[in-house]
Amino acid sequence: DIQMTQSPSSVSASVGDRVTITCRASQRISRWLAWYQQKPGKAPKLLIYAASDLQTGVPSRFSGSGSGTDFNFTISSLQTEDFATYYCQQANSFPRFTFGPGTRVD
Amino acid sequence: QVTLKESGPVLVKPTETLTLTCSVSGFSLSSARLGVSWFRQPPGKALEWLAYISPNDEKSYSTSLQSRLAISKDTSKSQVVLTVTSLGPVDTATYYCARTDSNWGSLDFWGQGILVTVSS
Repeated sequence: DIQMTQSPSSVSASVGDRVTITCRASQRISRWLAWYQQKPGKAPKLLIYAASDLQTGVPSRFSGSGSGTDFNFTISSLQTEDFATYYCQQANSFPRFTFGPGTRVD
Repeated sequence: QVTLKESGPVLVKPTETLTLTCSVSGFSLSSARLGVSWFRQPPGKALEWLAYISPNDEKSYSTSLQSRLAISKDTSKSQVVLTVTSLGPVDTATYYCARTDSNWGSLDFWGQGILVTVSS
């Protein structure tokens, strides 16, 4: 199975801050990577797919980059509603998905 | 409007079998590219993929759990069913179903989740 790691595991930030999260895959996955936001008690929400494509309706302050094994996710200007946990997910071995351990933004 | 909703028991006993239903609307379970996956998330932990069923009824299972899982669908009822056998306390988790687009493997719509507790 493809293993996913994320760093940091948590980040303390303030409204307006730029936040960047890194995700690394245990083997090359091209651009088969997505990012999700999850708030307590809620289902994950798709933000980015294909490493850098913004899901319809998602604000443009969210962005993704990378390919191969190393990926970044950035919130350009943190808003109040962005405090949540973020997960990366590989889909290279579709449909055998694996997720990173998550990064909490608080 | 695409929606998914999980239903089933919220409390099950050890060794029992869990049957969960995902009822979908806004898309067909036979639509090209659109399958359904099941995931679970133990309290405070990360998401784990369990199973997937494709538009043409192909099935895939988590390697570590495949002996205990079964997925099926009833296209006419717009339902996907997941069964998990031989439950133990470690299976306590929130279970989610998600629409799965084979275009980049996007999990673009999710159910609200159902918390299942395994306890005697």
